[in-house]
Amino acid sequence: EPEVTQTPSHQVTQMGQEVILRCVPISNHLYFYWYRQILGQKVEFLVSFYNNEISEKSEIFDDQFSVERPDGSNFTLKIRSTKLEDSAMYFCASSLRPTRSENSPLHFGNGTRLTVT
Amino acid sequence: RKEVEQDPGPFNVPEGATVAFNCTYSNSASQSFFWYRQDCRKEPKLLMSVYSSGNEDGRFTAQLNRASQYISLLIRDSKLSDSATYLCVVVTGNQFYFGTGTSLTVIP
Repeated sequence: EPEVTQTPSHQVTQMGQEVILRCVPISNHLYFYWYRQILGQKVEFLVSFYNNEISEKSEIFDDQFSVERPDGSNFTLKIRSTKLEDSAMYFCASSLRPTRSENSPLHFGNGTRLTVT
Repeated sequence: RKEVEQDPGPFNVPEGATVAFNCTYSNSASQSFFWYRQDCRKEPKLLMSVYSSGNEDGRFTAQLNRASQYISLLIRDSKLSDSATYLCVVVTGNQFYFGTGTSLTVIP
């Protein structure tokens, strides 16, 4: 079964440093997402991406965050200057059809654990 | 008001028990509904979609009540391996809204 893959599985960085989290969505999927989950808390939406542009973003997704689809397969999340509170699990997800259609669920990658020290 | 509300539990049930989780949503225009399972420090994994007429997959039954704006998940004959957090997900427009998750522990 095709799956979403994410690298690295764990990233440790110092406060103020830039990090890039990488994702390869399922190849025939059209919508791409980044979510984060602070340990013990709920899954929080960051951004959705469709047709090579951001379609929606949350309040969390401020100017420190950016996303890019540099080629036909990768989807990246960049945090320009990390803060301690950015420490979380970051999940990439993709879905096949536009969400206005029924039953087009999200498929998640196995996540990148980001630790900011 | 939150888009999705879910009882966080925890639910501790003996093996073989039947357990049910509910989740309410605030927007009557929500169009798709799912249950996900999340193990500790792992990604959410799709358990099942929730169809308007209700649907069953083995020991799992999902139901949707649009009038009262809730979805439910019933697990029959609980197994130890069912221990996890169960997330309800509601799709409104282009957004997937997650509940906080309900923690289930099945005890031998």
